Amino acid sequence: TQLLEQSPQFLSIQEGENLTVYCNSSSVFSSLQWYRQEPGEGPVLLVTVVTGGEVKKLKRLTFQFGDARKDSSLHITAAQPGDTGLYLCAGADSNTGKLIFGQGTTLQVKP
Amino acid sequence: DAGITQSPRHKVTETGTPVTLRCHQTENHRYMYWYRQDPGHGLRLIHYSYGVKDTDKGEVSDGYSVSRSKTEDFLLTLESATSSQTSVYFCAISKDRWGQGTQYFGPGTRLTVL
Repeated sequence: TQLLEQSPQFLSIQEGENLTVYCNSSSVFSSLQWYRQEPGEGPVLLVTVVTGGEVKKLKRLTFQFGDARKDSSLHITAAQPGDTGLYLCAGADSNTGKLIFGQGTTLQVKP
Repeated sequence: DAGITQSPRHKVTETGTPVTLRCHQTENHRYMYWYRQDPGHGLRLIHYSYGVKDTDKGEVSDGYSVSRSKTEDFLLTLESATSSQTSVYFCAISKDRWGQGTQYFGPGTRLTVL
């Protein structure tokens, strides 16, 4: 069974600080997605990374896919209260394409 | 935003009663999915559909059944609800199989089984 381990599970920081969330597995994925979820809503796709070593930027968010396509990171620069939410990574199984989700990282950014 | 609605949004029921959750889409996407979300587990796939009347099991399908008689509707049924099925249920849709990474999620249904 493929597993995606996210760390940390909880993160509480002050506005303006930087942070990194990690998503790790022993399995290779054909692609990896990051979603953001707000309370009472469904997850919303932020980015998809496909190529090993790929880096994508979305304003203050930087996403990186590991060279071996087994891990990924999400870095937020100068966090804002609006970044508060649950961040989920999901890997697409190399054989079936099914999405395997990590447990999620709950981020709280205090003003 | 993708046109996905779920009903009901909240439900409280008793152990042993049947429950049906509905997912309705207006995007005409072929693929539809039911997930459950529990603390510490992320999202886990229950069942999915790859077309009208075509469905298959996910990783946590025991105790659940699904039906899809129309492209736009995907129903999830708990034949006899148990307390372990207390969860938040999300429907998702995609144009391509598994969405090639892009699945659009509905707002969720919070189900409590007493």
